Amino acid sequence: GAGVSQSPSNKVTEKGKDVELRCDPISGHTALYWYRQSLGQGLEFLIYFQGNSAPDKSGLPSDRFSAERTGGSVSTLTIQRTQQEDSAVYLCASSLALAGRETQYFGPGTRLLVL
Amino acid sequence: AQSVSQHNHHVILSEAASLELGCNYSYGGTVNLFWYVQYPGQHLQLLLKYFSGDPLVKGIKGFEAEFIKSKFSFNLRKPSVQWSDTAEYFCAVNARDNQGGKLIFGQGTELSVKP
Repeated sequence: GAGVSQSPSNKVTEKGKDVELRCDPISGHTALYWYRQSLGQGLEFLIYFQGNSAPDKSGLPSDRFSAERTGGSVSTLTIQRTQQEDSAVYLCASSLALAGRETQYFGPGTRLLVL
Repeated sequence: AQSVSQHNHHVILSEAASLELGCNYSYGGTVNLFWYVQYPGQHLQLLLKYFSGDPLVKGIKGFEAEFIKSKFSFNLRKPSVQWSDTAEYFCAVNARDNQGGKLIFGQGTELSVKP
């Protein structure tokens, strides 16, 4: 079956511009996560969606970052007024939330470069 | 707060050598443990996982890991590595309580296998 897909695969933008990154989770997966992978910080959790519950936004680094998940499926991560330190690979993962025994499956990521 | 430590940043081995990558975590509650692998140019893939039961878990491609609760460790092993094992390996943990499933990752270990 299809895995997690993300688009675009690469994005180059200028400092100060807004960007939107998209994630299509595995069909039927109720939980969706965004992570960021950068040279200096490794892999960091950003935000988590589970069903209709309020998202866990505790990993978002600033109020320039936001995310939404429409219809319990597709998710968009938006970065406003991008800064050079936002350059990283943004990873999406999805899982079947199974009462604390879930396995997350990752997409290929979006490589963001802010000039 | 949870944290994960991988002891080796870069490991270089010859083919057929044995591998052990260290992983220690810091958390007082019950955890799930994972090893993910990222081959060059590919996305993160699950290598193996531990939820409960037998602390010695076997994964894909001949990898195994042992959970030692008293040492807060989950070291990855393979008796005989191949050139195709060249990749970056990430240890990850999540808490099995009400903190959602967000993964806390180690900094990663880059494995280079010489043919």
